[in-house]
Amino acid sequence: QKEVEQNSGPLSVPEGAIASLNCTYSDRGSQSFFWYRQYSGKSPELIMFIYSNGDKEDGRFTAQLNKASQYVSLLIRDSQPSDSATYLCAVWSPGANNLFFGTGTRLTVIP
Amino acid sequence: GAGVSQTPSNKVTEKGKYVELRCDPISGHTALYWYRQSLGQGPEFLIYFQGTGAADDSGLPNDRFFAVRPEGSVSTLKIQRTERGDSAVYLCASSAGLYNEQFFGPGTRLTVL
Repeated sequence: QKEVEQNSGPLSVPEGAIASLNCTYSDRGSQSFFWYRQYSGKSPELIMFIYSNGDKEDGRFTAQLNKASQYVSLLIRDSQPSDSATYLCAVWSPGANNLFFGTGTRLTVIP
Repeated sequence: GAGVSQTPSNKVTEKGKYVELRCDPISGHTALYWYRQSLGQGPEFLIYFQGTGAADDSGLPNDRFFAVRPEGSVSTLKIQRTERGDSAVYLCASSAGLYNEQFFGPGTRLTVL
């Protein structure tokens, strides 16, 4: 059973701070990693993906991957109230036909 | 361009009834997925289509659930003899291929009374 673990939160940060969201996964062979943002009552929206060890930056978002530690994180710089949402980590492994999702971390950015 | 669309957005039905949920993927996307999401959980895989065929239906919970994609585009998820435990948000996603990023539709919220 492939497992993806996330701290359910809630995680609260003040506006302008850095929010750090973490995810661990059980399948060492996993190759692709995705972060989805989900607003309450809405569907998941893809915001970042990463395939290689290291950092990947896109605007205020940085995804970090460490395959040796089976750990992937999402940093949100200059957090805004509009970033308040649940962030889902998803993992794809060879031989699987689907993404495996964590339960999500609820982020609240306090104005 | 248009994203993934799903209809209806909400469906309320009675226990024992039959329902159909429709998904229209992003144009040109060959891969289509159905997931189910319960409150406080991440999406759980149901079935994957590559083209017209169901390449992997291992996530379907039982034989009351069935899905088709006859022309390789629109897909319909069918649930027979609905049960209260089937209540959830049913999400459809599509991608350009198995290894590509998946994009979700708005979902159908199914409530079985």
